[in-house]
Amino acid sequence: DAGVTQSPTHLIKTRGQHVTLRCSPISGHKSVSWYQQVLGQGPQFIFQYYEKEERGRGNFPDRFSARQFPNYSSELNVNALLLGDSALYLCASSLAGYERGYTFGSGTRLTVV
Amino acid sequence: KNQVEQSPQSLIILEGKNCTLQCNYTVSPFSNLRWYKQDTGRGPVSLTIMTFSENTKSNGRYTATLDADTKQSSLHITASQLSDSASYICVVSVGGQNFVFGPGTRLSVLP
Repeated sequence: DAGVTQSPTHLIKTRGQHVTLRCSPISGHKSVSWYQQVLGQGPQFIFQYYEKEERGRGNFPDRFSARQFPNYSSELNVNALLLGDSALYLCASSLAGYERGYTFGSGTRLTVV
Repeated sequence: KNQVEQSPQSLIILEGKNCTLQCNYTVSPFSNLRWYKQDTGRGPVSLTIMTFSENTKSNGRYTATLDADTKQSSLHITASQLSDSASYICVVSVGGQNFVFGPGTRLSVLP
């Protein structure tokens, strides 16, 4: 079975642009969460979605938004990119909205220049 | 404020040696604690998960302990291998729905 897949794996954008990152959860998983991991630091929680509804939001500006589709895949959108948005963006999926069963994808490395 | 601290920040050991990584947390309400291994540029992979009532959990050469009274956890790695070189992240679940990540310990195993 495929694990959590994220695309693209690497991405370079310029300041002010917007970006869309994609995540496909493990088959049967209905919950998806997004995290930002700046180099040298632990992941920071951005969003959690369960059954297409937002269940949690971290301390990120409104430039960050996300959605979950009927097939439970998810997109993370970031507008007006800043240099500080450069990070590894991780997606994790779970059967339900509970932490116990989360599995992480390999992440998307975003570089803003 | 919910926080997770880890020590040391980085660690260098020789192949075959043992090591212990520490995690201290101030999280409420505590749900569970998980140790992850993260290779550079990759997503974290779960090693162990412990609930409030569990004191120790093993996964091969990895053994995690939890003291819920002192809010401390440790990850012990036995007979280290070169492939153990990675960041080890302690993650505490808050009420089962949100998570607080520690900054990680960067372990380097040298031949």
